[in-house]
Amino acid sequence: NAGVTQTPKFQVLKTGQSMTLQCAQDMNHEYMSWYRQDPGMGLRLIHYSVGAGITDQGEVPNGYNVSRSTTEDFPLRLLSAAPSQTSVYFCASSYSKQGGYTFGSGTRLTVV
Amino acid sequence: SQKIEQNSEALNIQEGKTATLTCNYTNYSPAYLQWYRQDPGRGPVFLLLIRENEKEKRKERLKVTFDTTLKQSLFHVTASQPADSATYLCALSSNDYKLSFGAGTTVTVRA
Repeated sequence: NAGVTQTPKFQVLKTGQSMTLQCAQDMNHEYMSWYRQDPGMGLRLIHYSVGAGITDQGEVPNGYNVSRSTTEDFPLRLLSAAPSQTSVYFCASSYSKQGGYTFGSGTRLTVV
Repeated sequence: SQKIEQNSEALNIQEGKTATLTCNYTNYSPAYLQWYRQDPGRGPVFLLLIRENEKEKRKERLKVTFDTTLKQSLFHVTASQPADSATYLCALSSNDYKLSFGAGTTVTVRA
């Protein structure tokens, strides 16, 4: 049982480049989220999904897109990378709206 | 705006003692409060969830209290061990699923 799998683990991008961070879960969870974690600021919600085909914005959605075509996958797209998007990105999933969340191991992204 | 504050300073305690962490919130009426543990370079791991109508919840050596009047949660690790050394995150949610996190408190347990 893999849980939540994120790829890649590390990535360096140049300003203006685009990329997709992958997230997959094998627990049949309906609820999935993307967070970014910056020093001293805690985890901030970027986008979330309450099921396949349904997504919504979180606290810091600008510069990011998501889609949810299947229950298992929830990719995060950076449209045009900026240095301010340098961060550690975590994907999480849950079986219920209020249930405890299972997090992936993160993607450390550096934009130069 | 909503604000979640945890002990800003790191907590250093002796093995066997109880670690007590604080989570205060303002401009928020959470329905649920959760605590997570995060080790360096890893994702957070869920520990406990407590609902707004619950005062206290326990799990093994962990205890969480939730006081909606004081807008505060306390998280206790009793009989602490060096393996309990980690950063502990407080997280709140209402019924809209959006989970908001505090910045975390780092705990170091000395042998």
